[in-house]
Amino acid sequence: GAGVSQSPSNKVTEKGKDVELRCDPISGHTALYWYRQSLGQGLEFLIYFQGNSAPDKSGLPSDRFSAERTGGSVSTLTIQRTQQEDSAVYLCASSLGSLGGGTDTQYFGPGTRLTVL
Amino acid sequence: AQSVTQLGSHVSVSEGALVLLRCNYSSSVPPYLFWYVQYPNQGLQLLLKYTTGATLVKGINGFEAEFKKSETSFHLTKPSAHMSDAAEYFCAVSPKGAAGNKLTFGGGTRVLVKP
Repeated sequence: GAGVSQSPSNKVTEKGKDVELRCDPISGHTALYWYRQSLGQGLEFLIYFQGNSAPDKSGLPSDRFSAERTGGSVSTLTIQRTQQEDSAVYLCASSLGSLGGGTDTQYFGPGTRLTVL
Repeated sequence: AQSVTQLGSHVSVSEGALVLLRCNYSSSVPPYLFWYVQYPNQGLQLLLKYTTGATLVKGINGFEAEFKKSETSFHLTKPSAHMSDAAEYFCAVSPKGAAGNKLTFGGGTRVLVKP
């Protein structure tokens, strides 16, 4: 079946502009995660959704970052007033979702490469 | 707080030789343990995971890893490297008992396979 998809695959923006990154999880997956992969910081967790709720937003680096999920499916990560340090690959993952488990396999999308000029 | 250390950011092996990638974690309670592989311009793919039970875990593509609690390690091995194993490998942990499966990753090890 279809895997996790992300759009756009590449995004180039100017400093100070807002960007929206989209993630379509695997159908039926209730858990959704955003991660960021950058040369300086490696792979970092950003936010976790269970359904439409976000019980863990601890990885969002600043209040310029926000995310939402609607209909228990598609998620959008928004970065306002982008800065050069926001340049990274943003990865989305989804899993079946299990309460108090943590053993679910996460399936990753190909990522969105964001470049802030 | 949990942390993951992967020894060696780059590893070079000859085709047919043993692949050994080291991973150590720091956590007050042994976490769940994962190895992921990332091929160029692709997302991460799960190789294997340890959650409970037998400490030697077999994964895809001939890889296996052994959880050693006393050493806080979860090293990844493959007896015979193949050219297609050239990729970046990430060790990751997630805390037991937590809602969700928030992964903390190591810095990654890039594997080069020489013919």
